[in-house]
Amino acid sequence: DAGITQSPRHKVTETGTPVTLRCHQTENHRYMYWYRQDPGHGLRLIHYSYGVKDTDKGEVSDGYSVSRSKTEDFLLTLESATSSQTSVYFCAIDGQGGQYFGPGTRLTVT
Amino acid sequence: AQSVSQHNHHVILSEAASLELGCNYSYGGTVNLFWYVQYPGQHLQLLLKYFSGDPLVKGIKGFEAEFIKSKFSFNLRKPSVQWSDTAEYFCAVRDTDKLIFGTGTRLQVFP
Repeated sequence: DAGITQSPRHKVTETGTPVTLRCHQTENHRYMYWYRQDPGHGLRLIHYSYGVKDTDKGEVSDGYSVSRSKTEDFLLTLESATSSQTSVYFCAIDGQGGQYFGPGTRLTVT
Repeated sequence: AQSVSQHNHHVILSEAASLELGCNYSYGGTVNLFWYVQYPGQHLQLLLKYFSGDPLVKGIKGFEAEFIKSKFSFNLRKPSVQWSDTAEYFCAVRDTDKLIFGTGTRLQVFP
């Protein structure tokens, strides 16, 4: 257990509404990541952060924004959710020896 | 940029059979390689990793992987699978400060 929590764990929302997912870590890791997992695509990186207020885009960043105002929290925002953003979202930290993942958030956009 | 290929998308085995899952990455030099496992409904867990040294790496739950630099490969093996090994397996390679994941291999083990 790498001390990572995600909230909410499940969410159903309507197309066009904003959604924010939260990742919280307790071990002061510098790097944090947001991935989405979809069948046939594995894990794809959305955004990542290498420190407070320092973020960068991953391979599937369109339609997503992130913020990191504190070391322990990394927020992922869907400004206007679309059905193509229905997915399972995982947060991860870069710890000793590899990345460690949170429990995931299942998001359904109807 | 690095990329990862996992050639087996779905593998079906009986208990006690041997397992080998393929993983190839795109280019050489110094590489950090990983295998993760995801049990149904759960998050990814680190099975094993290779940074340097002995190319045969042993991980948890009896898994091992062999790094073969000349083949750009990092195949996962287990001599005798169990029903509880039913899961999805992901290979990953580090690309600077990111991990690049393969698309995964779904393993089903039948008693």
